[in-house]
Amino acid sequence: SQTIHQWPATLVQPVGSPLSLECTVEGTSNPNLYWYRQAAGRGLQLLFYSVGIGQISSEVPQNLSASRPQDRQFILSSKKLLLSDSGFYLCAWSESSQPQHFGDGTRLSIL
Amino acid sequence: AQSVTQPDIHITVSEGASLELRCNYSYGATPYLFWYVQSPGQGLQLLLKYFSGDTLVQGIKGFEAEFKRSQSSFNLRKPSVHWSDAAEYFCAAGAGGSYIPTFGRGTSLIVHP
Repeated sequence: SQTIHQWPATLVQPVGSPLSLECTVEGTSNPNLYWYRQAAGRGLQLLFYSVGIGQISSEVPQNLSASRPQDRQFILSSKKLLLSDSGFYLCAWSESSQPQHFGDGTRLSIL
Repeated sequence: AQSVTQPDIHITVSEGASLELRCNYSYGATPYLFWYVQSPGQGLQLLLKYFSGDTLVQGIKGFEAEFKRSQSSFNLRKPSVHWSDAAEYFCAAGAGGSYIPTFGRGTSLIVHP
């Protein structure tokens, strides 16, 4: 069966520091991969999605970037974090038009 | 533009009472429809999905949803709510050939003992 792993679960970073969140999927090939952000009390905001290695689409221009160095690996990065980058980050995968499956999320706090 | 609307931000029910969470969609054609549940600090878990066929869909945890084309709705129901059902519920819709679903803003379910 397919599984998705996202880490770390919690992260506290100072303003201006770099960021790297990692997400990996097991048990499937060439999945669609997604990064979402969920601010407190808000809905889901799609940040990036990828349909293949090296193919990244950005939905919202911002301080973050994403990369897909391997088929089932999706990384969310920032060179310099802002206070507004705080939130709950969710990675998800899907196949074609099938529903997405989500990781457990990373709670990012910027100090 | 495609959209999914969850009209209720919060819903409060007593334990043991029935539940209905509303979801309306606006799509060019009949979309694929999903309901997810999110417990605090967790990711989203798929409750059920509708692609075609029987308009009454059974899901996990005793939930069901009914697709009504005439009302552009896909409401989630449960006959008897348990305290553990307290969570955030998201309705989502997708179109054939698209891999980016549209999510509603979510409905927060509060369960009173």
